[in-house]
Amino acid sequence: GQQLNQSPQSMFIQEGEDVSMNCTSSSIFNTWLWYKQEPGEGPVLLIALYKAGELTSNGRLTAQFGITRKDSFLNISASIPSDVGIYFCAGQSGKLIFGQGTTLQVKP
Amino acid sequence: GAVVSQHPSRVICKSGTSVKIECRSLDFQATTMFWYRQFPKQSLMLMATSNEGSKATYEQGVEKDKFLINHASLTLSTLTVTSAHPEDSSFYICSAREVSKGTLGPGLYNEQFFGPGTRLTVL
Repeated sequence: GQQLNQSPQSMFIQEGEDVSMNCTSSSIFNTWLWYKQEPGEGPVLLIALYKAGELTSNGRLTAQFGITRKDSFLNISASIPSDVGIYFCAGQSGKLIFGQGTTLQVKP
Repeated sequence: GAVVSQHPSRVICKSGTSVKIECRSLDFQATTMFWYRQFPKQSLMLMATSNEGSKATYEQGVEKDKFLINHASLTLSTLTVTSAHPEDSSFYICSAREVSKGTLGPGLYNEQFFGPGTRLTVL
């Protein structure tokens, strides 16, 4: 079946640092999405990407949809403590397929 | 914004009992709702797709007789875990997709709005 490989699995960074995480897939997706999940809650949509090559920003977050439609990255600039959480990529092709998640910890 | 609620948020039950989880779209109508399961430190795995007024579509490996889904209205879907066992302990999350208001433009995503999840612990 379709699988998304997300890396890194976890990151522990200092406040103010930039963060980058990415997802790759063996399948093509029509839409790539990035979600954030906090403990005991459902995921919240951060950014949606629709076109190959598209680069989209949402505040300190920037994400790109790879040209091949098989990969995407998410960057967080100038991290702050409230960025802590698990970030998931997801590809949509009919249904949503989620990556394994990247756990982000930010040290004040 | 679109809000999805789940009830209960947390449930503890004895092995062999059945548990019902409700998923409601509070300020929109949802023709389609999705049920996911998430084990600790793992990703969300789609269990089934629930369409209002019709039978749910289950993903491979998910037992339809064990996880009963009912989507009787445009704002409510329920998941019943029948004869629950400890291995069913997990975080169950639903999502809802709004009734299409017409043809979406190219590149537009018909967003799924996620509920806050239900933590099920089976003793």
